[in-house]
Amino acid sequence: AQSVTQLGSHVSVSEGALVLLRCNYSSSVPPYLFWYVQYPNQGLQLLLKYTSAATLVKGINGFEAEFKKSETSFHLTKPSAHMSDAAEYFCAVSDPNQAGTALIFGKGTTLSVSS
Amino acid sequence: KAGVTQTPRYLIKTRGQQVTLSCSPISGHRSVSWYQQTPGQGLQFLFEYFSETQRNKGNFPGRFSGRQFSNSRSEMNVSTLELGDSALYLCASSPRVDGNTGELFFGEGSRLTVL
Repeated sequence: AQSVTQLGSHVSVSEGALVLLRCNYSSSVPPYLFWYVQYPNQGLQLLLKYTSAATLVKGINGFEAEFKKSETSFHLTKPSAHMSDAAEYFCAVSDPNQAGTALIFGKGTTLSVSS
Repeated sequence: KAGVTQTPRYLIKTRGQQVTLSCSPISGHRSVSWYQQTPGQGLQFLFEYFSETQRNKGNFPGRFSGRQFSNSRSEMNVSTLELGDSALYLCASSPRVDGNTGELFFGEGSRLTVL
């Protein structure tokens, strides 16, 4: 069975500060991993994905994540936070051997950015 | 290209009633999946349809059902509504036909309130 744990339901940073959102996964097979972002009253948008190629993945809006198998982690970072980054972020895992698009999501981390 | 369209955006029902939600995927996308989002349980996979066939199903009771039409549009139905069914129901479409790449494009959701 697969699962995702996001450490910290709420993270607050100042504008210009480093953003670090933590995600750990559990999977019996080499997984695919994803980060999605949800702005208020909107659906989710894919930020980036890891599908067994490069372990450092770059996404949209300056975000990146590093797959670390030894730590079963896929933390999301951004060097300098912007006010527009305030949103809820979800880490997700899938089984690449399973046909279809079922994702297992973490509970989410709300990012607040102050000026 | 138009995004994923969900209707209605908001609806209120009473316990025991049934509800039907509609989703129009991005043109050319043949996979449609549904997720339930609640504050307590987070995002949970309901089911996925591909070429009018249910390809995957999450762990939800039989009151939750869905279907897909030949034009890839999808509907989900919840019968005998319970208070706990109050949630944001998200539809997502995917362009991929094989493998679980997790590239989902989400609609803005249908917010269901059960009184």
